[in-house]
Amino acid sequence: GAVVSQHPSRVICKSGTSVKIECRSLDFQATTMFWYRQFPKQSLMLMATSNEGSKATYEQGVEKDKFLINHASLTLSTLTVTSAHPEDSSFYICSASGGRGRDTDTQYFGPGTRLTVL
Amino acid sequence: QKEVEQDPGPLSVPEGAIVSLNCTYSNSAFQYFMWYRQYSRKGPELLMYTYSSGNKEDGRFTAQVDKSSKYISLFIRDSQPSDSATYLCAMSPTSYGKLTFGQGTILTVHP
Repeated sequence: GAVVSQHPSRVICKSGTSVKIECRSLDFQATTMFWYRQFPKQSLMLMATSNEGSKATYEQGVEKDKFLINHASLTLSTLTVTSAHPEDSSFYICSASGGRGRDTDTQYFGPGTRLTVL
Repeated sequence: QKEVEQDPGPLSVPEGAIVSLNCTYSNSAFQYFMWYRQYSRKGPELLMYTYSSGNKEDGRFTAQVDKSSKYISLFIRDSQPSDSATYLCAMSPTSYGKLTFGQGTILTVHP
């Protein structure tokens, strides 16, 4: 299947700092990338959808000024959690889709990034 | 009422059993149906992808979609301890669109 990577896999930061998470599609071009967060024993909650070269579309209740998303190329999207607080601690997962170079047009997920804010 | 309903379990079965996982949904616009497997602290892994109604088989896994009943299933034959994970159903009106997930079913296959 398609390979999507995330970096870092785990990050611990102090309250008030900003954290950047990278999402890369390694073997295909992703026209669309999605960012999710997941709390323990819960399903994935979509935060935003980003298309290459355009502004991200945020889901209701997600603060766009707090969760900055950039999708500068067909293989890279970044999520920056600004002024992080303990309640932002979560598992953040990206996915990529687009179908270019892939047989199946669906979302392929990264391995996730565990963020802990102290 | 949630758009997608999935029994969270947990479901515990002996090795070799046939496992049946199910989701129901209310949005008739859904055309694309997926099953993902998620191990603890990992990202979801695509298992099965189906468009519209019908069956699809891949090894020990069979996905069924019944759009008339708004019901999808995933069957796992000859279950193995390595199948122990959370299984998430997901669906979308379009192939590239955002997914609506079920809650996930926690499955444990014990030796």
